[in-house]
Amino acid sequence: EAGVTQSPTHLIKTRGQQATLRCSPISGHTSVYWYQQALGLGLQFLLWYDEGEERNRGNFPPRFSGRQFPNYSSELNVNALELEDSALYLCASSLGGRSGNEQFFGPGTRLTVL
Amino acid sequence: TQLLEQSPQFLSIQEGENLTVYCNSSSVFSSLQWYRQEPGEGPVLLVTVVTGGEVKKLKRLTFQFGDARKDSSLHITAAQPGDTGLYLCAGARSNTGKLIFGQGTTLQVKP
Repeated sequence: EAGVTQSPTHLIKTRGQQATLRCSPISGHTSVYWYQQALGLGLQFLLWYDEGEERNRGNFPPRFSGRQFPNYSSELNVNALELEDSALYLCASSLGGRSGNEQFFGPGTRLTVL
Repeated sequence: TQLLEQSPQFLSIQEGENLTVYCNSSSVFSSLQWYRQEPGEGPVLLVTVVTGGEVKKLKRLTFQFGDARKDSSLHITAAQPGDTGLYLCAGARSNTGKLIFGQGTTLQVKP
């Protein structure tokens, strides 16, 4: 069974640009989560999508947004990139319907903002 | 505010030694998950503990959830170089979707 997949593996952008990151969950999983892992800050929760709806959001500015498609894949968009947005962005998926289900992570997208 | 305190942050030991990693909080979690992460990769789920006092074993790894569901520990017996990596604990809160992660423990096992 295929795990969570993310694309691209690496992304290099300049300040002020926009970045789009993509995630495909494990087959049968309907919840998708996004996390940011910045150097020295650990993993920080960004967003939770379930059944196409945003269910919860972490303490990040509105320029971090996303969506979930009918096939449960998801996109994370980061507008007006800042240098401190450089990080590993991780997507996780779980069986949906309620929180607390085990989350399985993808390999991540390394975003570098120059 | 760091809700999950993980210790130690760094651990360098010789092959064959035992070690324990602690994960402590003043908050109650509905479940707690342990992950292991290699450089440049995503965290891999090792175990989930749900019930207070629960103990789970995965080969040489023993995981325990505190009675009050506020803390957890990971004990590795006879560590091997293949155990080297970053170990992360993460607490789940009901109806929030998010996992709250500890800072991580970087383990190095020398042959």
